[in-house]
Amino acid sequence: NAGVMQNPRHLVRRRGQEARLRCSPMKGHSHVYWYRQLPEEGLKFMVYLQKENIIDESGMPKERFSAEFPKEGPSILRIQQVVRGDSAAYFCASSPSLAGDQETQYFGPGTRLLVL
Amino acid sequence: AQTVTQSQPEMSVQEAETVTLSCTYDTSESDYYLFWYKQPPSRQMILVIRQEAYKQQNATENRFSVNFQKAAKSFSLKISDSQLGDAAMYFCAYRSLWQNTDKLIFGTGTRLQVFP
Repeated sequence: NAGVMQNPRHLVRRRGQEARLRCSPMKGHSHVYWYRQLPEEGLKFMVYLQKENIIDESGMPKERFSAEFPKEGPSILRIQQVVRGDSAAYFCASSPSLAGDQETQYFGPGTRLLVL
Repeated sequence: AQTVTQSQPEMSVQEAETVTLSCTYDTSESDYYLFWYKQPPSRQMILVIRQEAYKQQNATENRFSVNFQKAAKSFSLKISDSQLGDAAMYFCAYRSLWQNTDKLIFGTGTRLQVFP
């Protein structure tokens, strides 16, 4: 059973460009979470999605950031008009939809975004 | 709002010895989940152990165990027979049971060094 997949693993963008980060959850998982880790800091929650629904986006910046988890395909975190402060590691996690193990989130390897 | 505090930015231990990492949290809820995640240099987030607040028995996973003190809101991680591969950042995390969100709230982490 493959783990959570994220791509790309490293992404370099110039200021003003768009960044698209992809996350494929573990097989059978229908809950996806995005977290951001700034250098030397802990992970900060951004958004929680289920298929075709945003459940909690309380950690998402109000502008330039958006996320989706379509019926088919991976979850996408999109950052428009990137700025240097967006440089960070972005982690995706997934959890099962079955009760009992829903509490445990399994993380992907992360995408390191560098904005020049 | 819930908070998680890890007051030890760095810890070190001799190989084969035991080390304890501290974590405290603040919440007004009575039921929740607590987790320890490990982040080695690869930056992958790996689940180490999890504890349900309604369980009085401390969780154990091989060489890893927790000391869960609910009244004191303390959740420390004990690593026995430390190995070189245990060197990593360790993050404590909290998840509410009742709120309509599955987000994890992380502490700032403790960097563990293991000396041969």
